[in-house]
Amino acid sequence: NAGVTQTPKFQVLKTGQSMTLQCAQDMNHNSMYWYRQDPGMGLRLIYYSASEGTTDKGEVPNGYNVSRLNKREFSLRLESAAPSQTSVYFCASLVGWYEETQYFGPGTRLLVL
Amino acid sequence: GQQLNQSPQSMFIQEGEDVSMNCTSSSIFNTWLWYKQDPGEGPVLLIALYKAGELTSNGRLTAQFGITRKDSFLNISASIPSDVGIYFCAGQSAPGSARQLTFGSGTQLTVLP
Repeated sequence: NAGVTQTPKFQVLKTGQSMTLQCAQDMNHNSMYWYRQDPGMGLRLIYYSASEGTTDKGEVPNGYNVSRLNKREFSLRLESAAPSQTSVYFCASLVGWYEETQYFGPGTRLLVL
Repeated sequence: GQQLNQSPQSMFIQEGEDVSMNCTSSSIFNTWLWYKQDPGEGPVLLIALYKAGELTSNGRLTAQFGITRKDSFLNISASIPSDVGIYFCAGQSAPGSARQLTFGSGTQLTVLP
């Protein structure tokens, strides 16, 4: 069991470039999440997917899109990266609506120049 | 949106000392969670609290869900070097509402030998 995996671990982009962050979980969890973590601000929810086939906006969705490809995979796309999107991105999953324990991946560190 | 005030922002303590940190909110939460994040890793759940007034322990860690449902604290007794990391509180406002997980800004703990 790998838990929650994220790729890539590190990425440097130029302003305006696009990229997709990948997340996969092998725990058969229903819900998946994308957070960003900035210094001194904790984790803020970007998008989430309560179940396969559904996605919803979180607190800071602007500049991002997501795809719940199947039950295992949830990707985050930056169409036109901006320096303000420099951050550490975490993917998380949990079993279902009744379960509060979110399991986090190791994170993707993104620098936008 | 909802905000959690977590304090202190950072702590430097001697090995063997006890540690206390807390979170307060202007809103009521139905669940309080405490996470620890090691450098370069994603947050890992330490303790979950589901009921106002609840006091829960996990080894040297003890956490309480405040009676007003607007605050929680975490105590670590007899600190050891591996306690170093960032500790986050998180609150959930509605049962089963997976998107309503709000994080505090974190407490950076340093344990000096």
